[in-house]
Amino acid sequence: DGGITQSPKYLFRKEGQNVTLSCEQNLNHDAMYWYRQDPGQGLRLIYYSQIVNDFQKGDIAEGYSVSREKKESFPLTVTSAQKNPTAFYLCASSRGQGKTGELFFGEGSRLTVL
Amino acid sequence: GNSVTQMEGPVTLSEEAFLTINCTYTATGYPSLFWYVQYPGEGLQLLLKATKADDKGSNKGFEATYRKETTSFHLEKGSVQVSDSAVYFCALSGWDSSASKIIFGSGTRLSIRP
Repeated sequence: DGGITQSPKYLFRKEGQNVTLSCEQNLNHDAMYWYRQDPGQGLRLIYYSQIVNDFQKGDIAEGYSVSREKKESFPLTVTSAQKNPTAFYLCASSRGQGKTGELFFGEGSRLTVL
Repeated sequence: GNSVTQMEGPVTLSEEAFLTINCTYTATGYPSLFWYVQYPGEGLQLLLKATKADDKGSNKGFEATYRKETTSFHLEKGSVQVSDSAVYFCALSGWDSSASKIIFGSGTRLSIRP
């Protein structure tokens, strides 16, 4: 079935460690996104990519990095520079290019820093 | 920049009650507007959308009308069910170069009592 797969679903990290969250889509979508969800704050955009080998910072990019080497993959690295990384991370994709339509979301990855 | 403001929750209603969740936006030009729903433990999924002024989006008994004059996109349902308990997000996609940067409101948690 077509969709977005995020892994791992749950992840624990010690302070000072980098961690990479995987996001893969088989919808042939051009655009992919990473959002962070915290209680009471809704979704905040971390990074987005409209096309392979190109990406833009969202509203809260500090302490995160991404790559877009393949159309179907958009991994997010949470670095040790991110001061408060414990959160629920959501990856999404859309057809992109111009007037954006529906976003398709993965089931999320919950990161806990111990 | 673009922004979305939603009424704060949580909202608790009895089954078969009428629901309104307010959403207003700030954007230049002609954004597209969306309502997404997040059920417990899941990612978000599109509930309905409207891409131009006076459009009405509808799905699963929910409706929202794109009101450019009041910059609003309020979500309504005439008779809610327990299964409607979820978090609802209003979202906006700009019409220009910001089209790929989708902005979400803070979310409204809805609980329906049997």
